[in-house]
Amino acid sequence: DVVMTQSPLSLPVTLGQPASISCRSSQSLVYSDGNTYLNWFQQRPGQSPRRLIYKVSDRDSGVPDRFSGSGSGTDFTLKISRVEAEDVGVYYCMQGSHWPYTFGQGTKLEIK
Amino acid sequence: QVQLVESGGGVVQSGGSLRLSCAASGFTFSSYGMHWVRQAPGKGLEWMAFIRYDGTNKYYADSVRGRFTISRDNSKNTLYLQMNSLRAEDTAMYYCVRLQQSTVAVYWGQGTLVTVSS
Repeated sequence: DVVMTQSPLSLPVTLGQPASISCRSSQSLVYSDGNTYLNWFQQRPGQSPRRLIYKVSDRDSGVPDRFSGSGSGTDFTLKISRVEAEDVGVYYCMQGSHWPYTFGQGTKLEIK
Repeated sequence: QVQLVESGGGVVQSGGSLRLSCAASGFTFSSYGMHWVRQAPGKGLEWMAFIRYDGTNKYYADSVRGRFTISRDNSKNTLYLQMNSLRAEDTAMYYCVRLQQSTVAVYWGQGTLVTVSS
């Protein structure tokens, strides 16, 4: 199975400052069709998760443009350009290139 | 609007069985593959299982393969997860998820809680 490793696991950030979360996969996530199926999810306290990013860098509808995804192969990054209070929660990467799909451990973002 | 409503959770003894259901509405259920994802209390998300839109292909996480079975009834717009040989580590909130690797919106249910007592 593909192991997804996120860092850091805890991320204290000052309001208005940028934040960055890394996600590494144990094997390449390039699928046979040439796409890379790497997703990012946000889970706010007490809520069901919400997808932010799919295929490495495509934002889901309604996701603020302060969220961006990048990377290739086995190394991926989620960036928040300016953290807002509503961004508090846990962020997960998830690969959908290989069965079984797998999630990273999660990164807890909190306001410093 | 799209709705996914899970049911069937509860308390069960170790070694027991439970069947979860997910009632879908607001979209053409028979056109979408569906997933189950779980989250143990205070822990992260764990992908569990997937079934193709027509039920012909199924995939499972290693932790549940051979014990859990995903199925669907497109005539009833319902997704199922049959869970057998339950263990304490299966205690979690179970979510059904409509997820495609594309621009198509992702929907999660509110979850149903399964507690396995030893």
